[in-house]
Amino acid sequence: EPEVTQTPSHQVTQMGQEVILRCVPISNHLYFYWYRQILGQKVEFLVSFYNNEISEKSEIFDDQFSVERPDGSNFTLKIRSTKLEDSAMYFCASSVYRTGGTNTEAFFGQGTRLTVV
Amino acid sequence: DQQVKQNSPSLSVQEGRISILNCDYTNSMFDYFLWYKKYPAEGPTFLISISSIKDKNEDGRFTVFLNKSAKHLSLHIVPSQPGDSAVYFCAANTAAGNKLTFGGGTRVLVKP
Repeated sequence: EPEVTQTPSHQVTQMGQEVILRCVPISNHLYFYWYRQILGQKVEFLVSFYNNEISEKSEIFDDQFSVERPDGSNFTLKIRSTKLEDSAMYFCASSVYRTGGTNTEAFFGQGTRLTVV
Repeated sequence: DQQVKQNSPSLSVQEGRISILNCDYTNSMFDYFLWYKKYPAEGPTFLISISSIKDKNEDGRFTVFLNKSAKHLSLHIVPSQPGDSAVYFCAANTAAGNKLTFGGGTRVLVKP
């Protein structure tokens, strides 16, 4: 069964450093997302991406964050200067259609645990 | 942001019995609801969904009920199996939006 894959599974970085989290969405999907879950808290939406541009973003997704689809398969999340509070599990997801309505559910990767020290 | 709320953080049920998970929402613009299951160290896995034009959707052992007037939905798992032990998240979306708003999750433990 096709799946969303994320690398690395765990990333430790020093505060102020840049990190890039990578994702390979399901191949025929058109919509891509990043969510995060801080330990003990809810899964929170960060950004959605379609047709090579951001279609929606949350207030969390400030200028320190960026997304890119550099080629036909990868989807990346970059955090320019990491802060301690960026420590979380980051989930990439993809869907065939915009989430909402029948058969538009998002499929999630296994996550990247980011630890900022 | 408490637009989607799961008031029971945990639930323990005997194998073979019914598990009932509840979810409340406040945003009347939500029109599509999903349940995801999550095992430790894995991403959320889609389980079942329901559109606001329906009040029930069934898929095998899983049934989701939607009460729009009460802004409440529930997930029934029957019969519950030990492999169902996981955290279950309720999520919602609006017709115009392209993001899921999640509840805090309910941890289900099915005892053999």
